[in-house]
Amino acid sequence: AQSVTQLGSHVSVSEGALVLLRCNYSSSVPPYLFWYVQYPNQGLQLLLKYTTGATLVKGINGFEAEFKKSETSFHLTKPSAHMSDAAEYFCAVSTKSSGDKLTFGTGTRLAVRP
Amino acid sequence: GAVVSQHPSRVICKSGTSVKIECRSLDFQATTMFWYRQFPKQSLMLMATSNEGSKATYEQGVEKDKFLINHASLTLSTLTVTSAHPEDSSFYICSARGRTGRSYNEQFFGPGTRLTVL
Repeated sequence: AQSVTQLGSHVSVSEGALVLLRCNYSSSVPPYLFWYVQYPNQGLQLLLKYTTGATLVKGINGFEAEFKKSETSFHLTKPSAHMSDAAEYFCAVSTKSSGDKLTFGTGTRLAVRP
Repeated sequence: GAVVSQHPSRVICKSGTSVKIECRSLDFQATTMFWYRQFPKQSLMLMATSNEGSKATYEQGVEKDKFLINHASLTLSTLTVTSAHPEDSSFYICSARGRTGRSYNEQFFGPGTRLTVL
């Protein structure tokens, strides 16, 4: 079985400040890890993903995440927040043995203050 | 590329009626489609997985007779909520995965359908 825990349902940062959204996973086999962004009343858009290889993954809109196996973490960061980054962010995990089914965390709502 | 659409985007229906939601992959062949539901301010919960030409596989706790899924072609899957009740009100999101290229390596999500049952 696999699971995802996102610490902090709400995060608020000032425009230009560092964004850090936390994600920890649980998986008995090597995981595939994803971050998605959801704007109000819209579907999900993939920000970035980790499957194999380099543990630091760069995604769209200046976001990046680092897979740390020892910490079972996949935190999402962005050096400088923009107003347009305000949205809901979901971390997700899947594995080959799960048939690539995605298990989502509960989400983190990011607010960006001017 | 890899665009997924859903129709309708919003639907309001009376209790007891059935509602059909369509999910289409516009520029790739979707061998697998997933259906999720999302309650307000909550995460996405996988309801079922459908492969083209075969019966859908439902997650535990999801009533297959209530949520009918059909994946009749490589570009279309439908979810029919039968005899809808207010507790079925939710945001339904589909995703699709293809057989080649970028669409093979990730799921692409539709924009979602907001269902309100009165």
